[in-house]
Amino acid sequence: QSVLTQPPSVSGAPGQRVTISCTGSSSNIGAGYDVHWYQQLPGTAPKLLIYGNSNRPSGVPDRFSGSKSGTSASLAITGLQAEDEADYYCQSYDSSLSGSKVVFGGGTKLTVL
Amino acid sequence: QVQLVESGGGVVQPGGSLRLSCAASGFTFSSYGMHWVRQAPGKGLEWVAFIRYDGSNKYYADSVKGRFTISRDNSKNTLYLQMNSLRAEDTAVYYCAKEGTGTTVDFDYWGQGTLVTVSS
Repeated sequence: QSVLTQPPSVSGAPGQRVTISCTGSSSNIGAGYDVHWYQQLPGTAPKLLIYGNSNRPSGVPDRFSGSKSGTSASLAITGLQAEDEADYYCQSYDSSLSGSKVVFGGGTKLTVL
Repeated sequence: QVQLVESGGGVVQPGGSLRLSCAASGFTFSSYGMHWVRQAPGKGLEWVAFIRYDGSNKYYADSVKGRFTISRDNSKNTLYLQMNSLRAEDTAVYYCAKEGTGTTVDFDYWGQGTLVTVSS
């Protein structure tokens, strides 16, 4: 059971727009901690895709965008391409009476139809 | 360019030990905190441990606390993870990751990972 909740899968046709949600709580996203997104292509290591809710590292296409509101965040991918087929993970930080820790979503598999 | 290269993975029996290494290059290793993150086969990502740039503070996930030890040698640009009392549930690909510059913990570069299999 992941602290951050993502849909297990999403899909879209080439050229379409898809969004992936990441739902947290008042001890993580809602507490003001930033959300980051990672892309993991099949058989490879994760790669930072979005940091600080909505910022793209150098080299990441502007087809990828992130947003955050309340206790949730979203990753949007426009102009879907075959090479976008991958697993996507959101990540933040959680702080509660039971301690503090880095937390990930369970991951979302994006299929390009 | 930043490079992180893990090594030391392999097959170990339950209760055994293993030490992972992560050789870093392309950045000033001694200026950045470093993490270990693991991924069980077919599963999601799980943060394991963090060490500050100078080794002064270390933090662990509850699942490995008391069994794993993170350390670093800044003179060798190398990060380590000593894993003792290994369990079947520790089977995973272990990635080292460099801390990013965000206000909330993030990982801006990852190694290719090394597979640890705990099995009799």
